[in-house]
Amino acid sequence: KQEVTQTSAALSVPEGENLVLNCSFTDSAIYNLQWFRQDPGKGLTSLLLIQSSQREQTSGRLNASLDKSSGRSTLYIAASQPGDSATYLCAVLTQGGSEKLVFGKGTKLTVNP
Amino acid sequence: NAGVMQNPRHLVRRRGQEARLRCSPMKGHSHVYWYRQLPEEGLKFMVYLQKENIIDESGMPKERFSAEFPKEGPSILRIQQVVRGDSAAYFCASSRQNGGAGYTFGSGTRLTVV
Repeated sequence: KQEVTQTSAALSVPEGENLVLNCSFTDSAIYNLQWFRQDPGKGLTSLLLIQSSQREQTSGRLNASLDKSSGRSTLYIAASQPGDSATYLCAVLTQGGSEKLVFGKGTKLTVNP
Repeated sequence: NAGVMQNPRHLVRRRGQEARLRCSPMKGHSHVYWYRQLPEEGLKFMVYLQKENIIDESGMPKERFSAEFPKEGPSILRIQQVVRGDSAAYFCASSRQNGGAGYTFGSGTRLTVV
């Protein structure tokens, strides 16, 4: 059974700092991994999607890496801004016929001005 | 492209009433998924549907909960005889074929049972 863990429940950093959010998963047989952002009381916004054959994806100040063999992904945020404050969720789609996304519990990021 | 549309955004029901949550997938998406987010917990899969078919309902409680995705119209998640423990945010996601291209989520329906 796939389990996804995000080690930091909360993270507080000063504006301008570079930061890394971590995600680990127990079953390396995945189709892909997706990072989402959730603002309070809002829905999920997809940030980056990494297919199992890829090592990383980049979008603006965000870079996500995937190490399938070790069951790990990181989300790197460069030059953080107060507007980056949100909960970041990692989710994996596992091989084996199931279409279920398995989510971590998220990391709540606060970027202080 | 309006994205995944869910309504209502907020729903208040008294214990014992029925709750109906609606989800219209993105244009061109034929796969719909429902997830539930309980307070202080992560999102949990409930059910996966294609038009007129339930593909996987392994995450749905056996009683009081049902889902459909008719040939015409939105997908409906129906909760009968709601209890306080049903209070949660319910999210709908859609995808084009399968999850290989990723999922797009709606803004959710926040159900409060009083």
